[in-house]
Amino acid sequence: GEDVEQSLFLSVREGDSSVINCTYTDSSSTYLYWYKQEPGAGLQLLTYIFSNMDMKQDQRLTVLLNKKDKHLSLRIADTQTGDSAIYFCAEILNSGNTPLVFGKGTRLSVIA
Amino acid sequence: DVKVTQSSRYLVKRTGEKVFLECVQDMDHENMFWYRQDPGLGLRLIYFSYDVKMKEKGDIPEGYSVSREKKERFSLILESASTNQTSMYLCASSPKASSPLHFGNGTRLTVT
Repeated sequence: GEDVEQSLFLSVREGDSSVINCTYTDSSSTYLYWYKQEPGAGLQLLTYIFSNMDMKQDQRLTVLLNKKDKHLSLRIADTQTGDSAIYFCAEILNSGNTPLVFGKGTRLSVIA
Repeated sequence: DVKVTQSSRYLVKRTGEKVFLECVQDMDHENMFWYRQDPGLGLRLIYFSYDVKMKEKGDIPEGYSVSREKKERFSLILESASTNQTSMYLCASSPKASSPLHFGNGTRLTVT
């Protein structure tokens, strides 16, 4: 089965780190993605990780993948008010012939 | 950069009207997708297309149809709009099935 789950809300103070978590159930996933949606806009690809990796770092973003627990996280260091958005986790299955499966999104609120 | 353009940002239609939502991408992508986004429900896939004149049902195709006569254009059609189709509609494209999606900015449709 394929299901991607995320908590719906997260609130952090400006300057702190944010950690957004995601769990998925299909162990055959090849790529896992993080998308960001700012108010009134479409989704923008933030970063991705291939399933044979444990970690990927890109400036303030760190993606951690725990394949055993099927757990993916996105850490944003030094969170800024501009990071306030909805963050979606998504997976593509190994077959590659099915569309991305998205989580419901985590709304990150950054308090100044 | 890939550009996915949705023809309208906001649309207001009456119950029973036939509604066309247009989406155009400029990067010769094979695949195109239509999602709707509702609070608490995340993104739900309506229809997708892996080639010209091809279409596949997503998770919630009822009440919708699509048209893909040209590679760059994917239209979503509401044959007879109903109030429960009030939503944000997002179009996306990708070069191949296993690639990340590129999204348009969305069309917020209100059916009264």
